Amino acid sequence: QQKVQQSPESLTVSEGAMASLNCTFSDGTSDNFRWYRQHSGKGLEMLVSIFSDGEKEEGRFTAHLNRASLHVSLHIREPQPSDSAVYLCAVSMKGTGSKLSFGKGAKLTVSP
Amino acid sequence: EAAVTQSPRNKVAVTGGKVTLSCNQTNNHNNMYWYRQDTGHGLRLIHYSYGAGSTEKGDIPDGYKASRPSQENFSLILELATPSQTSVYFCASGTGVERLFFGHGTKLSVL
Repeated sequence: QQKVQQSPESLTVSEGAMASLNCTFSDGTSDNFRWYRQHSGKGLEMLVSIFSDGEKEEGRFTAHLNRASLHVSLHIREPQPSDSAVYLCAVSMKGTGSKLSFGKGAKLTVSP
Repeated sequence: EAAVTQSPRNKVAVTGGKVTLSCNQTNNHNNMYWYRQDTGHGLRLIHYSYGAGSTEKGDIPDGYKASRPSQENFSLILELATPSQTSVYFCASGTGVERLFFGHGTKLSVL
């Protein structure tokens, strides 16, 4: 069974400073990697989805994938207090489509 | 924007009682999923479906049944609810490797 681990568990950054979150996965055949954001008491909002090694940018959110290192990261440029939320890494194994395995989440706090 | 609607939003049940959580999607997506979210565990997949009439076991199916009577509707059934099933439940719909659309969640408390 796929293991997805996120670090750090929580992170506080100042408004405007870059925020970086990490995710490692255990199955090297995984083929899709996503980052979701969840504001307190709300559903999940997908930020970026990446299939190939390298980077994928969606607005202020950039995902970096290194499949050989079993690692995917999320970088948030110029974070704002409204970006304070829990960020979840999700991974799907090849051929399983949207059947995702999630990490436990990382709580990001952006202070003004 | 695709819509996934869960009902109820909040539910209090008694131990041993039957609970049905409902999910409706208007996206015409083939795939639907039920997850539960608990502190320290993240989201875990309970059951999923590839279309009307099909249900598949996810990673933690014990104590749960699922029903997909139509393309739009996917239910999660707890025949004999237990306090360990107290959680927030999320339904999602999608079409293979495309993005998943999540509902707002159902908070279930089993007393």
